[in-house]
Amino acid sequence: GENVEQHPSTLSVQEGDSAVIKCTYSDSASNYFPWYKQELGKGPQLIIDIRSNVGEKKDQRIAVTLNKTAKHFSLHITETQPEDSAVYFCAARKGMDSSYKLIFGSGTRLLVRP
Amino acid sequence: DADVTQTPRNRITKTGKRIMLECSQTKGHDRMYWYRQDPGLGLRLIYYSFDVKDINKGEISDGYSVSRQAQAKFSLSLESAIPNQTALYFCATSDPGLETQYFGPGTRLLVL
Repeated sequence: GENVEQHPSTLSVQEGDSAVIKCTYSDSASNYFPWYKQELGKGPQLIIDIRSNVGEKKDQRIAVTLNKTAKHFSLHITETQPEDSAVYFCAARKGMDSSYKLIFGSGTRLLVRP
Repeated sequence: DADVTQTPRNRITKTGKRIMLECSQTKGHDRMYWYRQDPGLGLRLIYYSFDVKDINKGEISDGYSVSRQAQAKFSLSLESAIPNQTALYFCATSDPGLETQYFGPGTRLLVL
């Protein structure tokens, strides 16, 4: 089955710096890769996603890149702000309606120091 | 009001007790999921349901059961709770054809 590894487990950056979180997946059939942000006391919330036919996607300060050959994808946050502090999860999924299951990474706790 | 609600938000129980965690949604989604979150392990799928008549086991279903009472309600039961079921439990929903999963606020369960 699919396995998703996420690194680092914790990341501390100075406000204004960039943060990068990396994930690798094992199943080459995976075709959808979302990123979720979990704030303290809340459930995870989708912040950005990418499909296997795209190499990069941006949304304001957040970007995700995908390397299908190497089977890894990364989340990039530029100009970090204290409100970016949270736990971030990557995930991978293969299949469409018949097999809609997300496999999550172990999470990265991001701390943005003011 | 929140689209996905979970009750209770916190629960303390003893080993061997039966407990039920409930999830309700007002998003009108057909698909519902139960996940368990443990430190350093991320989110792991316990059960999922694509409609009221469809129930499927996830990665870690042993020791758990579910009931889909209606499109809007999906309950998770621990028939005989054990300490290693202490965790944060999340319910989520999604719409067929749309890939985003929407999570509830979670239930923190402590089994003594």
